[in-house]
Amino acid sequence: NAGVTQTPKFRVLKTGQSMTLLCAQDMNHEYMYWYRQDPGMGLRLIHYSVGEGTTAKGEVPDGYNVSRLKKQNFLLGLESAAPSQTSVYFCASSGVYPPGELFFGEGSRLTVL
Amino acid sequence: KNEVEQSPQNLTAQEGEFITINCSYSVGISALHWLQQHPGGGIVSLFMLSSGKKKHGRLIATINIQEKHSSLHITASHPRDSAVYICAVSTNYGGSQGNLIFGKGTKLSVKP
Repeated sequence: NAGVTQTPKFRVLKTGQSMTLLCAQDMNHEYMYWYRQDPGMGLRLIHYSVGEGTTAKGEVPDGYNVSRLKKQNFLLGLESAAPSQTSVYFCASSGVYPPGELFFGEGSRLTVL
Repeated sequence: KNEVEQSPQNLTAQEGEFITINCSYSVGISALHWLQQHPGGGIVSLFMLSSGKKKHGRLIATINIQEKHSSLHITASHPRDSAVYICAVSTNYGGSQGNLIFGKGTKLSVKP
């Protein structure tokens, strides 16, 4: 009963470094989302996917890339990290679109120095 | 102006009190979600509703589509209810149709 699993949970990067966040879900959901959560702001959508091999931009996509090569995995990449990307990142999945019940990962706290 | 507004931002209650958290939105929606985020960060979906009222245990969610307003009620509050409660709406317009717009959350603290 893993649900949605995010790795890593914590990461510290230096400006300009690259990294990938992995989101894995075991519920056979078609729809997957990457959000960022910043103090004083609501969750904001970075990118989303409506199925294997598809991705789309959300509200704040700049500086991020994503891939959905397998249905169960949704990867979020930072090619050249910037301090403005310091945030907590959440992955979510749902079985229907528009989103029905959303299932969230535990979050990944990223700090860019 | 934010498209999804929650009130209050912070709420402190005594154990056993009846609690109401409000959510107002200014866009056309297909559904409204209530989420709970505990200290430590995990987010759990509580309700999704598009009309009327839903109840789960001590939690009740209502929505008034005409007034563009939803409320989350907690009866007989308990310290374990302490969390941030987030309202989110699924839009029914434009290129981002279906994507969620989130409120900033209401931080609830229930004292024993």
